[in-house]
Amino acid sequence: DSGVTQTPKHLITATGQRVTLRCSPRSGDLSVYWYQQSLDQGLQFLIQYYNGEERAKGNILERFSAQQFPDLHSELNLSSLELGDSALYFCASSAPLGGLGTEAFFGQGTRLTVV
Amino acid sequence: KNQVEQSPQSLIILEGKNCTLQCNYTVSPFSNLRWYKQDTGRGPVSLTIMTFSENTKSNGRYTATLDADTKQSSLHITASQLSDSASYICVVSVHNAGNMLTFGGGTRLMVKP
Repeated sequence: DSGVTQTPKHLITATGQRVTLRCSPRSGDLSVYWYQQSLDQGLQFLIQYYNGEERAKGNILERFSAQQFPDLHSELNLSSLELGDSALYFCASSAPLGGLGTEAFFGQGTRLTVV
Repeated sequence: KNQVEQSPQSLIILEGKNCTLQCNYTVSPFSNLRWYKQDTGRGPVSLTIMTFSENTKSNGRYTATLDADTKQSSLHITASQLSDSASYICVVSVHNAGNMLTFGGGTRLMVKP
């Protein structure tokens, strides 16, 4: 158990709909990362938050948005869903900013299926 | 542009054999490099971490090497087991922007009996 909790584990929804994925980081971790992994593909970085503020942005679509709340949990909002958005969405958290030993701990992912 | 490239993309070996996975990166400034193991449908788990000054680090049957001059790393798996079947992902941390992580595409390893 990495200590990172993602809900829900599975989600099936129709095209055009909107969903929210939730992530609770490890206790004390200030950074949260979101990744998308399509079938048989590598992990694609979407966005990073640090202590409530957006820190870095990857190839995140405009239909997607995220935020990190004061209690440090994060939500990834996916709207106007398309079939191609079907993927595993991983959240990771890491220790406070800086340091050579920074490690990202990953949750078990949310499997999104758009039908 | 920060990039991490891994080879081969996939690999099939027989149980008990050794194998070596490669990772080349162009990330700068470099902070550290980690190898992660990702079982199918699960989140990646860290195997080793290499900093700039380290050349070799072992974790059981896994040995990682790092050549910071050529910006190459390898992960050597000794006496492979069926449970080693997974994707192995090389991840390089940038020494700024909150230690942003750059992921390689991974090598999918299948160990057959």
